[in-house]
Amino acid sequence: QSVLTQPPSVSGAPGQRVTISCTGSSSNIGAGHDVHWYRQLPGTAPKLLIYRNTNRPSGVPDRFSGSKSGTSASLAITGLQAEDEADYYCQSYDSSLWVFGGGTKLTVL
Amino acid sequence: EVQLVESGGGLVQPGGSLRLSCAASGFIFSSYWMTWVRQAPGKGLEWVANINQDKSQIYYVDSVKGRFTISRDNAKNSLYLQMNSLRAEDTAVYYCARFGKNNWEIDYWGQGTLVSVSS
Repeated sequence: QSVLTQPPSVSGAPGQRVTISCTGSSSNIGAGHDVHWYRQLPGTAPKLLIYRNTNRPSGVPDRFSGSKSGTSASLAITGLQAEDEADYYCQSYDSSLWVFGGGTKLTVL
Repeated sequence: EVQLVESGGGLVQPGGSLRLSCAASGFIFSSYWMTWVRQAPGKGLEWVANINQDKSQIYYVDSVKGRFTISRDNAKNSLYLQMNSLRAEDTAVYYCARFGKNNWEIDYWGQGTLVSVSS
């Protein structure tokens, strides 16, 4: 049972928009701690996608965006592409623990 | 170019020990918090341990406290994870990773090393 809750799976057709939620509590996201997002392609290490809730590292397309409100955060992907099919994880901080969501598998139909 | 290269993984019996190493290059290693994150087969990511730049702050997930020890050698640009009393549930790919300068984001990851605990 992860401290941060993500839907196990989401799907969308090429070109569509999908969102992935990350629900926490008053001790992590709700306490004001930042949320970061990672993408993990099959058989590879995770890669930073969004940091500090809304910021994209250099090289990450603006199709990816993040938001945060209250005890939750979301990752949005627009203009869905086949190569976006991967696992996505949110991460935050909670009382001297660094916590990840359980991960969401994105399937591009 | 930032590189993190793990080594030391392998097959070990329950109760055994293993020491993972991570060779860092392409950045000033002594300026960054470092971390180990693991991923059991087919499962999600789990934070394991952190260490700050001068080794004065160290944190562990509860499930490894008393069994694992994170350390670093800034002169050798290396991060370590000593794992004792290994259990089947410690079986995972272990990633060495670097915390960025913003707010606990992990901006670089190694390729991972597989630790299998089985008799």
